[in-house]
Amino acid sequence: DTGVSQDPRHKITKRGQNVTFRCDPISEHNRLYWYRQTLGQGPEFLTYFQNEAQLEKSRLLSDRFSAERPKGSFSTLEIQRTEQGDSAMYLCASSLDEYSTDTQYFGPGTRLTVL
Amino acid sequence: TQLLEQSPQFLSIQEGENLTVYCNSSSVFSSLQWYRQEPGEGPVLLVTVVTGGEVKKLKRLTFQFGDARKDSSLHITAAQPGDTGLYLCAGSPRGAQKLVFGQGTRLTINP
Repeated sequence: DTGVSQDPRHKITKRGQNVTFRCDPISEHNRLYWYRQTLGQGPEFLTYFQNEAQLEKSRLLSDRFSAERPKGSFSTLEIQRTEQGDSAMYLCASSLDEYSTDTQYFGPGTRLTVL
Repeated sequence: TQLLEQSPQFLSIQEGENLTVYCNSSSVFSSLQWYRQEPGEGPVLLVTVVTGGEVKKLKRLTFQFGDARKDSSLHITAAQPGDTGLYLCAGSPRGAQKLVFGQGTRLTINP
């Protein structure tokens, strides 16, 4: 069990550029989540997938954000036309769908800085 | 709307002291997790509590889930400098898969 991995760990970009992040969940975990964390705050939910289906999106996820999980394994989060306000830590988590608990395990995050 | 309120937000104590961190809500949660996060890293799971009134112990850490499943506490006995970090509580509101996080408690243990 290698845990949740995210790539890249750090990304610096200029305002207006597009960026894409990748998340590889724990194998056999069918649920995958994206969260965003700004300095001094707890993570905030963005979206989640059950297998390849995107089942919920937060209002935080503007039209510039898109997430995919094409084969129900890894996921990508793309931000188009980045803005300085997008600077944050983007966290991915995965879980195994169990009816009593749904403990989420987090990756190390991708730190985005928009200049 | 902040569904989970953590207190205190900052806590600095001496090595060897005991402390308690609280996580409160007016909402019922089907489960609640406690995570610890180091700077520049993702949250690392400490414990999941599911049953109202449940108490779990992890070495010097004791976690309690309120009877009504609306609140939780984390108690650390004889704190050590290695306990320094950001402690986050997070819960799944009933019927939801997403986690709602508290704002975190930044704990500093001074040698």
